Amino acid sequence: KAGVTQTPRYLIKTRGQQVTLSCSPISGHRSVSWYQQTPGQGLQFLFEYFSETQRNKGNFPGRFSGRQFSNSRSEMNVSTLELGDSALYLCASSLGGSWTEAFFGQGTRLTVV
Amino acid sequence: AQTVTQSQPEMSVQEAETVTLSCTYDTSESDYYLFWYKQPPSRQMILVIRQEAYKQQNATENRFSVNFQKAAKSFSLKISDSQLGDAAMYFCAYRRNNAGNMLTFGGGTRLMVKP
Repeated sequence: KAGVTQTPRYLIKTRGQQVTLSCSPISGHRSVSWYQQTPGQGLQFLFEYFSETQRNKGNFPGRFSGRQFSNSRSEMNVSTLELGDSALYLCASSLGGSWTEAFFGQGTRLTVV
Repeated sequence: AQTVTQSQPEMSVQEAETVTLSCTYDTSESDYYLFWYKQPPSRQMILVIRQEAYKQQNATENRFSVNFQKAAKSFSLKISDSQLGDAAMYFCAYRRNNAGNMLTFGGGTRLMVKP
């Protein structure tokens, strides 16, 4: 079956702009989580959506937001981009229970200039 | 808050040899899950092995096994018969039970495999 698909794979934005990243989970998966990966801070949890509701939230400013659609696809939005938002953004999907395996996409590399 | 620490930023192993990657974690929870993920240059995180905290038996997946010491809050990964394809970043991760899909990751260990 198809894996987790993230689009776009690469993105270059200017400081102050906003950006939307997309994640299509594995068919049947209802949970989608987002992570930010940077050399300095490592992998940090942003938020998780389950059945269109935000279930968990990490410690990120309100400029980072997300949503999930009825087909479980998820989008992440970052407004007023800062240079420090440059990172690899990873999406993971799972069936939803804490015992279930999380499958990751290949990520979106965001560069803010 | 839970924290996960990987004290070895880089490790090197000879092909066909065995290597052990270390991971310690801090939590006040008694029910949780621990994972090792591999991130090759393609950047896609791949689950290597999973351990449920309530299970005393160490998990094993082919050449990969863990040494889970709950009291010491230690969760090391042993890779036997190392192969060139094992070269990657390895991340230890923690997930509290009933916390959905929220993972806390360690800083990672870069594993190099020498032919």
